[in-house]
Amino acid sequence: KQEVTQIPAALSVPEGENLVLNCSFTDSAIYNLQWFRQDPGKGLTSLLLIQSSQREQTSGRLNASLDKSSGRSTLYIAASQPGDSATYLCAVRRGWETSGSRLTFGEGTQLTVNP
Amino acid sequence: DAGVIQSPRHEVTEMGQEVTLRCKPISGHNSLFWYRQTMMRGLELLIYFNNNVPIDDSGMPEDRFSAKMPNASFSTLKIQPSEPRDSAVYFCASGREGVGGELFFGEGSRLTVL
Repeated sequence: KQEVTQIPAALSVPEGENLVLNCSFTDSAIYNLQWFRQDPGKGLTSLLLIQSSQREQTSGRLNASLDKSSGRSTLYIAASQPGDSATYLCAVRRGWETSGSRLTFGEGTQLTVNP
Repeated sequence: DAGVIQSPRHEVTEMGQEVTLRCKPISGHNSLFWYRQTMMRGLELLIYFNNNVPIDDSGMPEDRFSAKMPNASFSTLKIQPSEPRDSAVYFCASGREGVGGELFFGEGSRLTVL
């Protein structure tokens, strides 16, 4: 059974700092990995999707890497801003088959960026 | 581009009542997922549809829960009868299978059962 762990559970940083959020998963047979952000009382917003054949994806100040063999992904946020404050979730997906279709989520990292 | 649309956004009901949650996926998407989020258990997959057909309903907690997808643009999740432990935020997500597999979530329906 796939298990996804995110470290740290919570992080508080001053504005402008670069930071790294970590995600690890136990089963390396994944199809893709997706990073989301969730604001309080809101849905999940997709940030980056990395296919199993890819090593990284970038969008603006965000960069996500994937090391499938070691079961790890990182989300790098450059020059953090107060608007980045949210909970960040990573989720892995095994494939199309019945049991693999589900995303397995980590418990999230709650990020606070202080002005 | 309209995202995944869910209704109602908030529902407060009494134990024993029937609850129906609705979802309109993004046009062109062929997969639809219902998730439930609670503080205790995080995000749990309830059911997954592909091309309107239920593929994996192993996450549906019990017979009180049922889901339908009569066409590509509409799905419902029904709880009958509702219980206080069903209180949670229910999310609908859609995606295009075979094209990367990225999922897009709705804003959720917050259910409170008194």
